[in-house]
Amino acid sequence: ILNVEQSPQSLHVQEGDSTNFTCSFPSSNFYALHWYRWETAKSPEALFVMTLNGDEKKKGRISATLNTKEGYSYLYIKGSQPEDSATYLCAFSSGGSNYKLTFGKGTLLTVNP
Amino acid sequence: ETGVTQTPRHLVMGMTNKKSLKCEQHLGHNAMYWYKQSAKKPLELMFVYSLEERVENNSVPSRFSPECPNSSHLFLHLHTLQPEDSALYLCASSQEKGQGLDEQYFGPGTRLTVT
Repeated sequence: ILNVEQSPQSLHVQEGDSTNFTCSFPSSNFYALHWYRWETAKSPEALFVMTLNGDEKKKGRISATLNTKEGYSYLYIKGSQPEDSATYLCAFSSGGSNYKLTFGKGTLLTVNP
Repeated sequence: ETGVTQTPRHLVMGMTNKKSLKCEQHLGHNAMYWYKQSAKKPLELMFVYSLEERVENNSVPSRFSPECPNSSHLFLHLHTLQPEDSALYLCASSQEKGQGLDEQYFGPGTRLTVT
């Protein structure tokens, strides 16, 4: 059984704060790690797909890092804005089943104006 | 707008009904997926189709029956469901043959309630 754990479950920050959250996944047989943003009443939207240990990706104020040896990824948001409020999901795929993404429960971020 | 549409958006059905969920992708992708999200649980993969062939069936009960007539359309046929099947059902697609390297594009989901 592959478990993907995300922490914290929820987070409230003030506009302008920087924040980060964690995704933990099995370190053996790693293939890829995905981050998605899911706003209420909308579709989940891909942020990053990461494959290499030490990888760092950035999209605007959002960035992510990956440590495949210890099995974790961090997502950072710099200068949070109310429109960043969403659930952030990570998902893991292993070499044994390339098609299958195993998702975490997500971190619900609320940015207060 | 992600290029993946789902209908209906909401569905209420009795345990003896038969209904179908429809998904269509306008992205030219080769792989399509059905996911289920129950309350307070993570997204769970149900089925994967790659080039119209089912390549993953994640131990889903037979009361859920997928169909992929072509690479742009995916259906989920429902019959004799149970109240615990009430959930949000999401469709997704990806470019290549469902490899874990490809980002997935999700539809808005169908909120299903079984009474």
